[in-house]
Amino acid sequence: QKEVEQNSGPLSVPEGAIASLNCTYSDRGSQSFFWYRQYSGKSPELIMFIYSNGDKEDGRFTAQLNKASQYVSLLIRDSQPSDSATYLCAVTATGNQFYFGTGTSLTVIP
Amino acid sequence: GAVVSQHPSWVICKSGTSVKIECRSLDFQATTMFWYRQFPKQSLMLMATSNEGSKATYEQGVEKDKFLINHASLTLSTLTVTSAHPEDSSFYICSAIPGQGNTGELFFGEGSRLTVL
Repeated sequence: QKEVEQNSGPLSVPEGAIASLNCTYSDRGSQSFFWYRQYSGKSPELIMFIYSNGDKEDGRFTAQLNKASQYVSLLIRDSQPSDSATYLCAVTATGNQFYFGTGTSLTVIP
Repeated sequence: GAVVSQHPSWVICKSGTSVKIECRSLDFQATTMFWYRQFPKQSLMLMATSNEGSKATYEQGVEKDKFLINHASLTLSTLTVTSAHPEDSSFYICSAIPGQGNTGELFFGEGSRLTVL
């Protein structure tokens, strides 16, 4: 399988701070990039997707993509305790097969 | 967003029995569905791609005779874990990509937690 690497954490940030999550991928042919959030015992839910180089903002979330460096990140501003979860990075080249990173566990401390 | 439903959510079975998990797309037709497995504190691992009306495509290392996949209609795919053993205990999640008007994201079912005693 294609490699998608994430720092497994755990990452702890105080409430209100910015959480920064990083992801690198090995397949230069990757076209679409997704960030999913997964609470313990639940299936993943989509946070954001990004296709083009640069930044994409959606509320408190900003995804950043750099295809030359094969790097995608997720910033969470004004972190809330409810943001505590595992964040999964997913990439796809074909739009059919998705490859997931191991996930980064985030804890937001009240 | 599109809805993918899985059943059952939890299943406990004795070693050697077979377990069937259903995955349904409720508000769209899915020619392709994907089956993932997730062990505790690990990421999702793609097991197989389920194709409507044809054989599933299995990832390397996944035993096709053990994990039987049937995609008989555009809204239903089933995964049968045959002769389950304790090492098959895991969280199984199906997913699908709706066609038209979609951003290309995967929509996941709720997952099925299998415990083999």
